[in-house]
Amino acid sequence: QVQLVQSGAEVKKPGASVKVSCKASGYTFTSYGISWVRQAPGQGLEWMGWISAYNGNTNYAQKLQGRVTMTTDTSTSTAYMELRSLRSDDTAVYYCARGTGTTFDYWGQGTLVTVSS
Amino acid sequence: EIVMTQSPATLSVSPGERATLSCRASQSVSSNLAWYQQKPGQAPRLLIYGASTRATGIPARFSGSGSGTEFTLTISSLQSEDFAVYYCQQYNNWPPSITFGQGTRLEIK
Repeated sequence: QVQLVQSGAEVKKPGASVKVSCKASGYTFTSYGISWVRQAPGQGLEWMGWISAYNGNTNYAQKLQGRVTMTTDTSTSTAYMELRSLRSDDTAVYYCARGTGTTFDYWGQGTLVTVSS
Repeated sequence: EIVMTQSPATLSVSPGERATLSCRASQSVSSNLAWYQQKPGQAPRLLIYGASTRATGIPARFSGSGSGTEFTLTISSLQSEDFAVYYCQQYNNWPPSITFGQGTRLEIK
């Protein structure tokens, strides 16, 4: 069965970086892309960007351009999302989700990233 | 950026009744519209894509309709497990520039 398993919760100070991993199993990793979606406490869903696991092409949400980098390691079927220059309003649950860049049919369990001094 | 607006913010419905949730796009997204359900502490679950196609394993009581800028998610005969937050999402652009609505909380009346 398709599974996306994310890395554990992180606590970071303002200005630091965080890198969240998402290990995929149960399907051909390179046949789909991975999007990252975040959700601030008590808030809605915000799409952060997408990466093709086939060729590494990326597309990032405009508001995060320059602070976010998405990568994949096809040898381990793992996707990564790095967010730099963290601010308090980056505190959120970060989800990876499988998709072709349109809809998301399988999701990871979420990773809580807390930014606090 | 395409803005998605959902209404109402909260909907109170009794079990067994029908719920109708609305989603409006700030410009046409054709039929490139999906709906997700999210329960507390869980990741969202894909319900509907292409405005009206149920995802794998989604019960027939969930149906979607609409195109262009106006969309509806209907849940007939609400079950206890259906009380959750529902989000619409557009994916009209390529390369993808995806936006979600702010969500509708469906609560037990």
